[in-house]
Amino acid sequence: DGGITQSPKYLFRKEGQNVTLSCEQNLNHDAMYWYRQDPGQGLRLIYYSQIVNDFQKGDIAEGYSVSREKKESFPLTVTSAQKNPTAFYLCASSIDPGGASGYTFGSGTRLTVV
Amino acid sequence: GDSVTQMEGPVTLSEEAFLTINCTYTATGYPSLFWYVQYPGEGLQLLLKATKADDKGSNKGFEATYRKETTSFHLEKGSVQVSDSAVYFCALSDRRGSSNTGKLIFGQGTTLQVKP
Repeated sequence: DGGITQSPKYLFRKEGQNVTLSCEQNLNHDAMYWYRQDPGQGLRLIYYSQIVNDFQKGDIAEGYSVSREKKESFPLTVTSAQKNPTAFYLCASSIDPGGASGYTFGSGTRLTVV
Repeated sequence: GDSVTQMEGPVTLSEEAFLTINCTYTATGYPSLFWYVQYPGEGLQLLLKATKADDKGSNKGFEATYRKETTSFHLEKGSVQVSDSAVYFCALSDRRGSSNTGKLIFGQGTTLQVKP
């Protein structure tokens, strides 16, 4: 079955460490997205990519970086510059780069700073 | 900018009760509207959508109608079950002029608790 796979499900980061969250999709979708979810809040957009080798900053891109070298993959790196990285991270994709068809989401990665 | 406002939760209902979760939006142009559901520890699943005014989206007994005159997209279900307990998110597709930007704008989410 097609879908989006996020790994790992749980991730622990030490202070000053960079970590990378994986997101892979086999839906042949052009567009991919990273959102951050904090308790009791909605989703906030970190980065998005509508086509391979291109991506744009979302609303809270500071302290994060991404790459889109392959259509199937959109990894997110949480750098040491992100001062409050503890959150639930969700990756999504859309067959329509305009987003009007809606998204398919992965099951998320919960990142905790220790 | 565009925004989505949902009713505050948690909403607590008994099994077989009628459900309404209010969602209103502010947008330029004609966005698509969505309801997503999130079960504990999981990602979001698309529940239903509507792409133009007066469209009704429906799935698994849930319904929502795109009301342009009241800028609303309220979620309803006639008889809820314990298994419907989850967080529900209303969202719209962000538009600039006549084009979609590719981004979805989400509401804060409404927690539904259904008791047996």
